[in-house]
Amino acid sequence: DGGITQSPKYLFRKEGQNVTLSCEQNLNHDAMYWYRQDPGQGLRLIYYSQIVNDFQKGDIAEGYSVSREKKESFPLTVTSAQKNPTAFYLCASSDPGQGLEQYFGPGTRLTVT
Amino acid sequence: GQQVMQIPQYQHVQEGEDFTTYCNSSTTLSNIQWYKQRPGGHPVFLIQLVKSGEVKKQKRLTFQFGEAKKNSSLHITATQTTDVGTYFCAGLPANQAGTALIFGKGTTLSVSS
Repeated sequence: DGGITQSPKYLFRKEGQNVTLSCEQNLNHDAMYWYRQDPGQGLRLIYYSQIVNDFQKGDIAEGYSVSREKKESFPLTVTSAQKNPTAFYLCASSDPGQGLEQYFGPGTRLTVT
Repeated sequence: GQQVMQIPQYQHVQEGEDFTTYCNSSTTLSNIQWYKQRPGGHPVFLIQLVKSGEVKKQKRLTFQFGEAKKNSSLHITATQTTDVGTYFCAGLPANQAGTALIFGKGTTLSVSS
């Protein structure tokens, strides 16, 4: 059963703590993406990676970090430097040879108090 | 920076009425994609348009890509309650290898029966 998995679905953290969100895909896609979604803001790109061991900053990378050590995995760390971390985080992947159609995971809703 | 503007932000219709959302880019696009996100869910790919002036239909949904490849629209005929959700357009800037899709902020459609 191919797709993208994100875990956990809901995550609660105290302010000042770093937290890592998981994203795994078994679609054999080269490209992977992290988006943040806030009400009325649409999807804002945090980081993306087009190939293993390489990634680029998106529009709102400050306070976040990523790694791409394996093709199927693209974890996102929300650091304590991110001023407003509470949001819905979506991971996606695509095969550039297919026109960049993106497949999204179910998302992780992070709440920081 | 490059932007994709989408209007309206919200639209409420009576079941059976038509609905249209519009997408305008500040830059020429090589393609445009449309996604639908149901309440509580994640975005799901609907369609991709590539050619100038292209029109594609999916049952009651009609998608258009402008002649200048800078704007697009999604029209739903005779809305149903199952059409409820947020519709996003996403464009890929032309002649910029290695860039990612730029998403509009979405149009949230509500339908009353």
